Amino acid sequence: NAGVTQTPKFQVLKTGQSMTLQCAQDMNHEYMSWYRQDPGMGLRLIHYSVGAGITDQGEVPNGYNVSRSTTEDFPLRLLSAAPSQTSVYFCASSHRQGTYEQYFGPGTRLTVT
Amino acid sequence: EDQVTQSPEALRLQEGESSSLNCSYTVSGLRGLFWYRQDPGKGPEFLFTLYSAGEEKEKERLKATLTKKESFLHITAPKPEDSATYLCAVGSGANSKLTFGKGITLSVRP
Repeated sequence: NAGVTQTPKFQVLKTGQSMTLQCAQDMNHEYMSWYRQDPGMGLRLIHYSVGAGITDQGEVPNGYNVSRSTTEDFPLRLLSAAPSQTSVYFCASSHRQGTYEQYFGPGTRLTVT
Repeated sequence: EDQVTQSPEALRLQEGESSSLNCSYTVSGLRGLFWYRQDPGKGPEFLFTLYSAGEEKEKERLKATLTKKESFLHITAPKPEDSATYLCAVGSGANSKLTFGKGITLSVRP
């Protein structure tokens, strides 16, 4: 049982490039979410999903897209990277909508130059 | 809008010196208050959930308490391995949304 896994662990992008951050969980959790963590700020919710085929925006969704085609996977896409998207990105999951005990992945550290 | 404020921002303790971390919050429809521990370079690790004022939870040297406006994480006789950033979050609404505080960085010197 690997829990929540994220790839890559580190990534450097140039402004304007696109990429996808991968997230997978093997706990059969319905709820998955993406956060970003910046120095001096709390974790901020980007997008979340309450089940396969259902996604919604969080607090800071601009510049990011998500999709949820399976229960296990929840990729985060950066369409055209900007320096303001330099951050550490965490994926999290919980058993179902309405439960709040969330399990976090190890994070992806992204730098946009 | 839900808000979570943690204080102090950083705390340095001597091994064995007990103290408390504070988390004050404003939220409409509290579904739970959560404490997480985060080690450098890693994702947050769940510690406690508190649902109602007066509730307490304990785990080893940590005890979390909850009132209607704030939560405390008490650390009794801390050890260097307790050094980490402690995050507080509130859950509200039906969509499992969590609002996090900025965290408290705890350093315990041997």
